[in-house]
Amino acid sequence: TQLLEQSPQFLSIQEGENLTVYCNSSSVFSSLQWYRQEPGEGPVLLVTVVTGGEVKKLKRLTFQFGDARKDSSLHITAAQPGDTGLYLCAGDPYNNNDMRFGAGTRLTVKP
Amino acid sequence: DVKVTQSSRYLVKRTGEKVFLECVQDMDHENMFWYRQDPGLGLRLIYFSYDVKMKEKGDIPEGYSVSREKKERFSLILESASTNQTSMYLCASTPPGQGNYGYTFGSGTRLTVV
Repeated sequence: TQLLEQSPQFLSIQEGENLTVYCNSSSVFSSLQWYRQEPGEGPVLLVTVVTGGEVKKLKRLTFQFGDARKDSSLHITAAQPGDTGLYLCAGDPYNNNDMRFGAGTRLTVKP
Repeated sequence: DVKVTQSSRYLVKRTGEKVFLECVQDMDHENMFWYRQDPGLGLRLIYFSYDVKMKEKGDIPEGYSVSREKKERFSLILESASTNQTSMYLCASTPPGQGNYGYTFGSGTRLTVV
């Protein structure tokens, strides 16, 4: 069983559509991070959310941390082919800076 | 541009071989990590290190060991490679702190054990 469950596992949409992916846990986290990974590369940090209920925007990407700090969502507005990749959430369950990762959502945006 | 460099992008090794995966970072980070990534399982933590000569087991240390003789270098060792260790291996580093710093990852080493 994954500490962090991500859904959906796969998502294929057309350019211009909106989408939301989810990261859920039964554990409380002091913070959660989102990464994007492109084929053949390591994950790259997109954002860290720290406060329950926090919303952060990064251009067309909106990240939300749940009030209870057990879940997070990533919403993409008007998706573009350049958004294609594997989106991973990560959290530090023991507060000692060794992160645990979800299995990821593989997003494909078709032109 | 800050970097984590993994010595090989692709490796093919035979069952039973001793395999060394090297990782070097140029950011003077204290913390370094080795993960393996498999489809549907995400990234799983193998070992990590908070300082030179320090090492801590992650969630799946069996069959692996690590070495950190210098701050910038963290090596993963497969003592006797097996086919179930075929995977993508990712090294990462981060400054000290409690989870609010992002990890910087290398590009990964895709290891195939035949």
